[in-house]
Amino acid sequence: ETGVTQSPTHLIKTRGQQVTLRCSSQSGHNTVSWYQQALGQGPQFIFQYYREEENGRGNFPPRFSGLQFPNYSSELNVNALELDDSALYLCASSLGGTSGRGNTGELFFGEGSRLTVL
Amino acid sequence: GDSVTQMEGPVTLSEEAFLTINCTYTATGYPSLFWYVQYPGEGLQLLLKATKADDKGSNKGFEATYRKETTSFHLEKGSVQVSDSAVYFCALIHPGNQFYFGTGTSLTVIP
Repeated sequence: ETGVTQSPTHLIKTRGQQVTLRCSSQSGHNTVSWYQQALGQGPQFIFQYYREEENGRGNFPPRFSGLQFPNYSSELNVNALELDDSALYLCASSLGGTSGRGNTGELFFGEGSRLTVL
Repeated sequence: GDSVTQMEGPVTLSEEAFLTINCTYTATGYPSLFWYVQYPGEGLQLLLKATKADDKGSNKGFEATYRKETTSFHLEKGSVQVSDSAVYFCALIHPGNQFYFGTGTSLTVIP
């Protein structure tokens, strides 16, 4: 068991709506990253949070936003949903380095939240 | 930019066959390299890693060697089992930066 939990596991939204996905990181981990995995593809990096600050972002528009809380849990928010946002959203936690820049190695993944946009 | 290319699947092998899944990368400097595995119905989990050139990562009978001269990190196993059926992802990271994943290779092992 990885210790990373995500909710909800499945959800269906319609185009234009907003969604919030949640992630509880593994105990002791101060870094959370979010990934979008389309069907048949590898995970694509959305962004990363280290000690409540965003410290890295992939090629996703601003309607993808996030938060990290003092207990290192995290949220991913997506506004104005589009059909192409349908995917498995993965959260991963890790122990960031003292440089403050985040990931130094192994990621621990949750099982993901599968979003369907109709 | 950094990227990872891995062989396309799906791959179907008989039990006890030899497995190779090719992975090559493009990156500046000296990234760390990883293989992650996704078993049916489960989240991704680390299979093995190597952090510098010529390092060999190994776990559960799988091995991969970090080859800087060929920018490769091919995954191998001498004798696959049905329980190895999964999707395998090659990935790289520069310390402190984001992970880059390949598209994944689906492996099915038949008895």
